[in-house]
Amino acid sequence: QVQLQESGPGLVKPSETLSLTCTVSGGSISNHYWSWIRQPPGKGLEWIGQIYYSGNTNYNPSLKSRVTILVDTSKNQFSLKLSSVTAADTAVYYCARQTCSNCWFDPWGQGTLVTVSS
Amino acid sequence: SYELTQPPSVSVSPGQTASITCSGAKLGDYYVCWYQQKPSQSPVLVIYQDSKRPSGIPERFSGSNSGNTATLTISGTQALDEADYFCQAWDTSSAVFGGGTKLTVL
Repeated sequence: QVQLQESGPGLVKPSETLSLTCTVSGGSISNHYWSWIRQPPGKGLEWIGQIYYSGNTNYNPSLKSRVTILVDTSKNQFSLKLSSVTAADTAVYYCARQTCSNCWFDPWGQGTLVTVSS
Repeated sequence: SYELTQPPSVSVSPGQTASITCSGAKLGDYYVCWYQQKPSQSPVLVIYQDSKRPSGIPERFSGSNSGNTATLTISGTQALDEADYFCQAWDTSSAVFGGGTKLTVL
C-alpha cells in the first residue's frame, strides 16, 4: 500500500520561497504521475502541478510563473518550490499520486500546513 | 478557465438518498471524479471516471455524468458519510475542482 508524506517548514516569510518534499513509501515513484494540491483554511482544493517520474512537468497556469516541481527517483521523492509567497499562499499542501496524466488523485498524503507570515 | 459549480450544502436524513451535483459546460464530455473529505483529514477518492468505485468504497456510493451535470449519489446515507465532497475534472491538462459541498446527515 503506497503512502505519501509531506515535509517542510510550516512557516515561511512573505516574498520568500516555500519548499516542500513528498516522500513515497510502499511503492516506486516510477511509472506514475505525482501532483501537488493545496487547500487554504476553510476553502476548496486547488491543483498546483504535476510531474512524471521522468521529470516532465505540467503546472496550473495561474501559478506557473512561481512553481517548480522536481523529482528525485533515487530517494523516491518529489518536491515543490513556490516563490514570492504571500499570505494568500497559506494553505494545507497535499501530495498525491496519479496513474496517468489526467487521472484521478489516489492516494493523498496527510497534508502539511504552511503559513506565510512575517 | 473551466469552472465546476457545486451547491455549498446538502442535507439528508439517515437512510435516505443524497444527491450532490457538479455543473460545468459540456461536463459530460469529461471524466469526473469525486472526493470525500472529513474534518482534519485528507481527501479520499470515492468515484473515478464518472461512475467507478475504488476498492474499499461502499456500494452505496455511485456516480453519473451527462450533459452539463455530474451527480454523486449516496444511497442509504449513514452518519459517517457526513463530510465535504469535491468533484474534479481535467481541462486542457489542468485539474479543476468544484468548490465543494458539505453533506449534513440529520
